[in-house]
Amino acid sequence: GIQVEQSPPDLILQEGANSTLRCNFSDSVNNLQWFHQNPWGQLINLFYIPSGTKQNGRLSATTVATERYSLLYISSSQTTDSGVYFCAVVRTGNQFYFGTGTSLTVIP
Amino acid sequence: NAGVTQTPKFQVLKTGQSMTLQCAQDMNHNSMYWYRQDPGMGLRLIYYSASEGTTDKGEVPNGYNVSRLNKREFSLRLESAAPSQTSVYFCASSEVGGFGNQPQHFGDGTRLSIL
Repeated sequence: GIQVEQSPPDLILQEGANSTLRCNFSDSVNNLQWFHQNPWGQLINLFYIPSGTKQNGRLSATTVATERYSLLYISSSQTTDSGVYFCAVVRTGNQFYFGTGTSLTVIP
Repeated sequence: NAGVTQTPKFQVLKTGQSMTLQCAQDMNHNSMYWYRQDPGMGLRLIYYSASEGTTDKGEVPNGYNVSRLNKREFSLRLESAAPSQTSVYFCASSEVGGFGNQPQHFGDGTRLSIL
């Protein structure tokens, strides 16, 4: 299967700070998705972004498929942003491969 | 909107017992998925169903069976539970499969412990 690596594995931010999370993948992919898993374990879709840039409020994402990476930007972080951020990629068929996640803690 | 509903939310089993995890979605999605999430790890795909009447193995299918009962429901069965199957199980659905420009929507998970 495809390898998906996320960095950093852990991140602690002061409320109001900005951050960039990275997702590298080992082969060409057809689609990529970013998720947020909140402290209660719920998984929330953030972006479906096989290429290009998208923005949703304080969050934005960029995928450069030719260079096999995607970035998730969080600006003006809030305590509710805490949790684990996963990227997942699809190479062929219906199989999503997940990275091991970035655990984010935002402190007031 | 309920979205994706999983039952039960928690379960404790003894080694060798069998159990079926239920999943239902009310979004009229064609594709459904079962994942497991182990501590400190991302999700791994167990089985998926691209459309009603079809099922396929994912990355970690051993020890599991699935049934796509109808378009709404996709169940996961453990025939003889083992401690290595202790995990959090997530069901997801999407309008079409991975090639489509549609996101996956997840249930809240089933926390399964096998003693």
